[in-house]
This record gives sequence, C-alpha cells and structure tokens, in this order.
Amino acid sequence: GAVVSQHPSRVICKSGTSVKIECRSLDFQATTMFWYRQFPKQSLMLMATSNEGSKATYEQGVEKDKFLINHASLTLSTLTVTSAHPEDSSFYICSGTLNSGQGNEQFFGPGTRLTVL
Amino acid sequence: AQSVTQLDSHVSVSEGTPVLLRCNYSSSYSPSLFWYVQHPNKGLQLLLKYTSAATLVKGINGFEAEFKKSETSFHLTKPSAHMSDAAEYFCVVSAYSSNTGKLIFGQGTTLQVKP
Repeated sequence: GAVVSQHPSRVICKSGTSVKIECRSLDFQATTMFWYRQFPKQSLMLMATSNEGSKATYEQGVEKDKFLINHASLTLSTLTVTSAHPEDSSFYICSGTLNSGQGNEQFFGPGTRLTVL
Repeated sequence: AQSVTQLDSHVSVSEGTPVLLRCNYSSSYSPSLFWYVQHPNKGLQLLLKYTSAATLVKGINGFEAEFKKSETSFHLTKPSAHMSDAAEYFCVVSAYSSNTGKLIFGQGTTLQVKP
C-alpha cells in the first residue's frame, strides 16, 4: 500500500523558535496533501489543504502566517510552525491523496509530536 | 454541512465478545463514509469505506459496517474482539461531494479490550 512518512516524529523546541515538519509520499505522487492537528484525547482537525505548485488553502481559524505550508513537489509538503508557543504543542498529522481507479484515498503519516517549552 | 457524531467516547469489551462502535452522520448529499483506526504512535489506518455501493461494507481485520440511510448511521462491528483491536477509532465523512479528499473526523471512540 501507499506509504506516507513524516519527519521528525518528535520535536521539542523553545518558545519563539520555528519548527519545520516534513511530509513525504514514499511510493506515490500526491498532488494534494492535508495537514491536521490533534490535541490529546481529541479528534483530528483539518488545518489546511496543500496543493503542489500553488498556495495552501487554510481552514477557518488557522493562521496562515503562523503555519507556513510549502508543497514544492509531488512527494513533499512541509509545515513550518513559526514563532512557536506552548499552545502550539500538539500532534501534527499529514495525509497524501492517491487517485486510484476507485476514487481518491487518503494515506496518513505517523504524525509528529511537537512540544513547545 | 457534513458532520459525524460518534456516540460513545469509550467502549470496553472482553476479548472474544462482539464490538459495536456507533456513528451517526449528517450530510446534504450521498456521503462517502470511512472508519479509521489509530494505534498509539502509528499512522491512521483505513478499516473500511462506503462509497454508495453495497450498504454492508467489509473491511480489514474482521470489521464491517452497515450504511443505513433511514437511520443516518454507519456503525462499526466485529463479531469477536481481539486484544490487538484496542485502539482509537474514528468515523469519518467526506467533506464535499466532489471527492476532493477533504475529510471530517468524528470525535473518536477508544476501544478497550479486556482479557
């Protein structure tokens, strides 16, 4: 099956610094990738839709200048949390869209746990 | 707008007994519905999906779900729980009819399996 990886799996940073998270589709090309965040014991909330070669589309309430998304190739999307603060601590998950003969299917990465001190 | 409601935040069963995880949906069109499982420190895995074909959908690991339009439900079942089934389960609906890939997640149900 299709595989999506994320790097790093876990990161701890100081308040005020920026953190970059990578999402890669390892064995397929993903024209669209999605970024989610998940707080402890809660559901996944969609943050943004990332399309290769164009600007990301952000969900209501998500600050685009805070969460910078770049989708430079069909296999890589990055999420940069700028000037991170403790309230940004969360589990960030990406997914890549694979268009098969049976329609689109999402394949999820294992997630990145961000802790901001 | 599309939405899903998982009726139980936590379900506890004994190993070998049936599993029922409940999900109701709201949709202004014929929805695509999914069940995903999330094990600790692992990525979300698709268990099964409904896309307007057969209303009884069979998935991996012995799970199945039945789409009931009259009840707007898509409950997940398994005849016999295994210890390895302990995880977080999400009922998910597609956000738009155009199959953009955008998904809306339910709140999740934690399945506990006791020996």
